[in-house]
Amino acid sequence: AQSVSQHNHHVILSEAASLELGCNYSYGGTVNLFWYVQYPGQHLQLLLKYFSGDPLVKGIKGFEAEFIKSKFSFNLRKPSVQWSDTAEYFCAVTGSGKLIFGQGTTLQVKP
Amino acid sequence: DTEVTQTPKHLVMGMTNKKSLKCEQHMGHRAMYWYKQKAKKPPELMFVYSYEKLSINESVPSRFSPECPNSSLLNLHLHALQPEDSALYLCASSVLAGLHNEQFFGPGTRLTVL
Repeated sequence: AQSVSQHNHHVILSEAASLELGCNYSYGGTVNLFWYVQYPGQHLQLLLKYFSGDPLVKGIKGFEAEFIKSKFSFNLRKPSVQWSDTAEYFCAVTGSGKLIFGQGTTLQVKP
Repeated sequence: DTEVTQTPKHLVMGMTNKKSLKCEQHMGHRAMYWYKQKAKKPPELMFVYSYEKLSINESVPSRFSPECPNSSLLNLHLHALQPEDSALYLCASSVLAGLHNEQFFGPGTRLTVL
């Protein structure tokens, strides 16, 4: 069965700090990978996705993620966070036809 | 139109009530989904419809009854719910079910069961 693990449950950063959120998945076959963000009181929005091709994926709002197949990882990065990036971040994987989410990381950015 | 809409936004119901959640999309997607999300937790898949037919039921209790009357609409009928069913119910759609299909999520219905 496929699973997704997010290493950081709660991250606190100051504005302008760099961000990296870890995501590892467990599935032996072809996968699609996603990062979703959920701002307080708002619905899930897609930050970026990987289906195939260039393993470095650029998304909205300055986010990017790198798919490392050998490490089963899809870490999310942003060079300089803003207070408005405060939100819940979910890594998700589709392998067996179902979208499976990680447990989520709460990011708090202090102004 | 590139969005998934859900009504109502909020719903409060007693344990003996019958209510329904509604989801609509006009993107021509043929796969639609129901998820349940508790606070600070990830969405959990409940049901998947593909071409208006139920293709996945994640062992959801029968007090939740999905319905897909046409390719644009998805309902979730609720009956005799428990307080632990209080959650955010999310609807999503994708072009097709399965790999290589991004899911688009609606804003959700926040359900409170008293």
